[in-house]
Amino acid sequence: DVKVTQSSRYLVKRTGEKVFLECVQDMDHENMFWYRQDPGLGLRLIYFSYDVKMKEKGDIPEGYSVSREKKERFSLILESASTNQTSMYLCASSSRDRDYWAWGQYFGPGTRLTVT
Amino acid sequence: DQQVKQNSPSLSVQEGRISILNCDYTNSMFDYFLWYKKYPAEGPTFLISISSIKDKNEDGRFTVFLNKSAKHLSLHIVPSQPGDSAVYFCAASSMDSNYQLIWGAGTKLIIKP
Repeated sequence: DVKVTQSSRYLVKRTGEKVFLECVQDMDHENMFWYRQDPGLGLRLIYFSYDVKMKEKGDIPEGYSVSREKKERFSLILESASTNQTSMYLCASSSRDRDYWAWGQYFGPGTRLTVT
Repeated sequence: DQQVKQNSPSLSVQEGRISILNCDYTNSMFDYFLWYKKYPAEGPTFLISISSIKDKNEDGRFTVFLNKSAKHLSLHIVPSQPGDSAVYFCAASSMDSNYQLIWGAGTKLIIKP
């Protein structure tokens, strides 16, 4: 059973703080993704990684950075949190083989981040 | 430019009846389409997918129909159950997209008892 875990379910931070969100998957997946979900906007891709130490910008990378030092772990960093980064953050992973097209991406439970 | 659109933000259906969720897309290069279900405070979970070479895929109570000429797909849930109340996302992908998914905004389905 695929498992994607995220370090926190709920997080409250102050404006200007540095925030780390961690994601771990146990399926040996090559691809990992960070999204944010806001009402009426669906899921928007922040960054993704298709291999260790590799990263690609998604649609909304501004204000975020990522780190992937190990295959199973993908971290999202908010260098200086702002109130407009209050959102639900979702991590996902996927394989790069034929199974991907049948099963897509596997998601963690999400982190509800509030920046005050 | 939204490549995947779910034009209904919400849909209310009586328990036991059919729920039909719709999704339109603009990119004819999409190869796969997926539906995800999301409960509040949880991550999305995969529901069903369809390849662009097919026009129908069925899994239990869930059926996805694809109309390529109209660039339209729909998810049918029959019969609808209270546990189906959730937000449903349509997503699309192409083989050359580096495994990225393009997401619709979601439709909130409410099943009335």
